[in-house]
Amino acid sequence: KAGVTQTPRYLIKTRGQQVTLSCSPISGHRSVSWYQQTPGQGLQFLFEYFSETQRNKGNFPGRFSGRQFSNSRSEMNVSTLELGDSALYLCASSTGTEVYGYTFGSGTRLTVV
Amino acid sequence: GNSVTQMEGPVTLSEEAFLTINCTYTATGYPSLFWYVQYPGEGLQLLLKATKADDKGSNKGFEATYRKETTSFHLEKGSVQVSDSAVYFCALSSDNYGQNFVFGPGTRLSVLP
Repeated sequence: KAGVTQTPRYLIKTRGQQVTLSCSPISGHRSVSWYQQTPGQGLQFLFEYFSETQRNKGNFPGRFSGRQFSNSRSEMNVSTLELGDSALYLCASSTGTEVYGYTFGSGTRLTVV
Repeated sequence: GNSVTQMEGPVTLSEEAFLTINCTYTATGYPSLFWYVQYPGEGLQLLLKATKADDKGSNKGFEATYRKETTSFHLEKGSVQVSDSAVYFCALSSDNYGQNFVFGPGTRLSVLP
């Protein structure tokens, strides 16, 4: 079966712009979580959506937002980009009802210049 | 709050050497524990998991045992291969739905032929 698909793979944006990242989970998975990975901070949890509702949220500013659609696809939006937002953004999906662990996508590499 | 500590890397081994990567955790309650692996340019892949004390997770020759008394989940492999070169992340989830992970900083493993 198809894995978790993230688009685009690479993105270059200018400070102050906004960006939208997309994640298509494994078919049948209703939970989508987003993580930011940087060399300095490691993997940090952004938020989790389950059945179109945000169920958990990490400690990121309000510039980071997300949503989930009825087909479980999710988007993450970052507004007013800062240089420090440069990172690998990983999406992970799961059933959301069992402790089986995530399946991660390959990530979107965002560079802010 | 919950946290995961891993041994500092990088770890460099010769092919067929024995591998141990230490992982200890701090958490309330009874978390589920995981090891993930990240190959260059890719997202994280679930390597193995354990959901209760004394459980042993195993996959692809890797093993880890959930030790509640020492709050540890050390990763071991009897004979490493060059293809095992990657970054390994220990993680926990204390969420009933297996979400909202806390990841360790990762340990980079390099295996030389």
